[in-house]
Amino acid sequence: DIVLTQSPALAVSLGQRATISCRASESVRSSMHWYQQKSGQQPKLLIYGASNLASGVPARFSGSGSGTDFTFTIDPVEADDIATYYCQQSRNDPYTFGAGTKLELK
Amino acid sequence: EVQLQQSGAELVRPGTSVKLSCKVSGDTITAYYMHFVKQRPGQGLEWIGRIDPEDDSTKYAEKFKNKATLTADTSSNTAYLKLSSLTSEDTATYFCTTGATSDYWGQGVMVTVSS
Repeated sequence: DIVLTQSPALAVSLGQRATISCRASESVRSSMHWYQQKSGQQPKLLIYGASNLASGVPARFSGSGSGTDFTFTIDPVEADDIATYYCQQSRNDPYTFGAGTKLELK
Repeated sequence: EVQLQQSGAELVRPGTSVKLSCKVSGDTITAYYMHFVKQRPGQGLEWIGRIDPEDDSTKYAEKFKNKATLTADTSSNTAYLKLSSLTSEDTATYFCTTGATSDYWGQGVMVTVSS
């Protein structure tokens, strides 16, 4: 199985940039997606195919990378962005998720 | 508007089975692969597997191959997840979703395994 490694938490100030990384144990090409999950809610797709903004998602969210190293950025961070963010690969079965990065306010 | 409506919360005994449903409205279920995702309390997301309702082909994560069974009924536009030989480790919220290509999610269903 492809293992996706994310840092567990990130503390950021409102209005600043937040950058979350996801490293895959083998290449997933561009088959990487980013989800936001708020407490008690279902996940919401923000970025698909490594760098494509999902429908209705504000442009302050972005993604980049290919192969094994991926980055998700929020710039600037707003209060509503406090959530846990997951990467997921769909290159190979099983479609694994990273463990999630909890975005916290400084 | 496409919506995924999942069945209600379940309280089940250890060693038994439970079958969860996920009904698609607003489109035909055969337009999507239906995925199921597990989330234990306070934990991350685990991909269980997916089914193609067009031909009933399935893929499972290795750890769920003897635990989960995915089926679909095109006449009712519904996908099902059956969990067998339940233990406390199966206590979790289970989501159905159409995956990153379309990103429709059910509201999640909480399964509690307790005697």
